[in-house]
Amino acid sequence: DVQLLESGGGLVQPGGSLRLSCAASGFTFSNYAMNWVRQAPGKGLEWVSAISGSGSTTFYADSVKGRFTISRDNSNNTLYLQMTSLRADDTAVYYCAKVIEGIAAAGGDYYAMDVWGQGTTVTVSS
Amino acid sequence: DIQMTQSPSSLSASAGDRVTITCRASQSIASYLNWYQQKPGKAPKLLIYGASSLQSGVPSRFGGSGSGTDFTLTITSLQPEDFATYYCQQSYSTPRITFGPGTKVHIK
Repeated sequence: DVQLLESGGGLVQPGGSLRLSCAASGFTFSNYAMNWVRQAPGKGLEWVSAISGSGSTTFYADSVKGRFTISRDNSNNTLYLQMTSLRADDTAVYYCAKVIEGIAAAGGDYYAMDVWGQGTTVTVSS
Repeated sequence: DIQMTQSPSSLSASAGDRVTITCRASQSIASYLNWYQQKPGKAPKLLIYGASSLQSGVPSRFGGSGSGTDFTLTITSLQPEDFATYYCQQSYSTPRITFGPGTKVHIK
């Protein structure tokens, strides 16, 4: 079974740090780009960060750039999100998600997230 | 940034109803549009990718259409397990993807 399992969430004070992990199984991890997506309480989905399969290329949402760092360990099939200078508005459930991309049957390209973890909750509060 | 809007924001429907949800992009995104279903306390689930391709394992009552700026998710005969929130997501500006605000489907 293809599976993603996040861990590392918790309660942290404003200005603090936290590292999230996402353990992957059931697929060749290094072949796939990965994303972190978050969801604040009662709100919609927000893309946070992306990393290529090799780990050589990373991208960040403006809201977290300079504070969060995405990385991966392909030898241990694990994705990470290092979060620093945390703020109250970083409070959310954080999901890791596997990316699929290619050419759809109708002929257009696609880029989507086909497998998601169960999420880990980050609460930033004093 | 590409902004996504959805309508309606919520709807009430009965089992067996045909349901249509609309998603609009602030600029043309060709067919770079995906749909996800999310139930309370659960992770999103991919339903449709590339605007109209059905993800493996998803029932055929779900369908997607559209290109450019206007897209539609249709559920042809709503089932009890379909009551959930549905999100569209553009991947034209990959990897800086953006989601619509969601459409919550309630039981009438």
